[in-house]
Amino acid sequence: DAGVTQSPTHLIKTRGQQVTLRCSPKSGHDTVSWYQQALGQGPQFIFQYYEEEERQRGNFPDRFSGHQFPNYSSELNVNALLLGDSALYLCASSLVGDSYEQYFGPGTRLTVT
Amino acid sequence: GNSVTQMEGPVTLSEEAFLTINCTYTATGYPSLFWYVQYPGEGLQLLLKATKADDKGSNKGFEATYRKETTSFHLEKGSVQVSDSAVYFCALTATGANSKLTFGKGITLSVRP
Repeated sequence: DAGVTQSPTHLIKTRGQQVTLRCSPKSGHDTVSWYQQALGQGPQFIFQYYEEEERQRGNFPDRFSGHQFPNYSSELNVNALLLGDSALYLCASSLVGDSYEQYFGPGTRLTVT
Repeated sequence: GNSVTQMEGPVTLSEEAFLTINCTYTATGYPSLFWYVQYPGEGLQLLLKATKADDKGSNKGFEATYRKETTSFHLEKGSVQVSDSAVYFCALTATGANSKLTFGKGITLSVRP
């Protein structure tokens, strides 16, 4: 059983560009959450998707947007990249009703130059 | 808002030493509490959890007890191994299914042979 997968592993972008990160949840999971982990910090919640709708959102600007597809996979889009967006982006999946465990992917390392 | 405070790191121990990593939290209601571990080059893994006051979570020799009176969830292990070297994050979710995780900053543990 594949766990949570993310692509790409690493990405280098220039300020002002746009980026799309992808996540496939663990088999059987229907909820996807995205987190940003800056170097030396704990992950910060960006948003959560369930049934193709954004259910919760953290304190991130509208430059951060997302999407969930009918197969439960998800994308995170970031527009107008800033140097401060450089971070490890983590995707976590879970199953509605099983609120206590979120399974994390290995992350995408985004570097903005 | 909710927050998690972890002791400052890094922590370096010799193999078989006793480990304590402090974690305190601020939250409304009755949060669920977690310890996640991040091994080098890997994603976050749930180490243990406790969902109500006085619960003790345990896994792989690690333990933590949910203390509502002191709003704490300290992680302990009686005898650490080199393979325990990793970054440890304390986290909470507010009451309710699939709530977002709020993480502490994390602490790096290095265990010397």
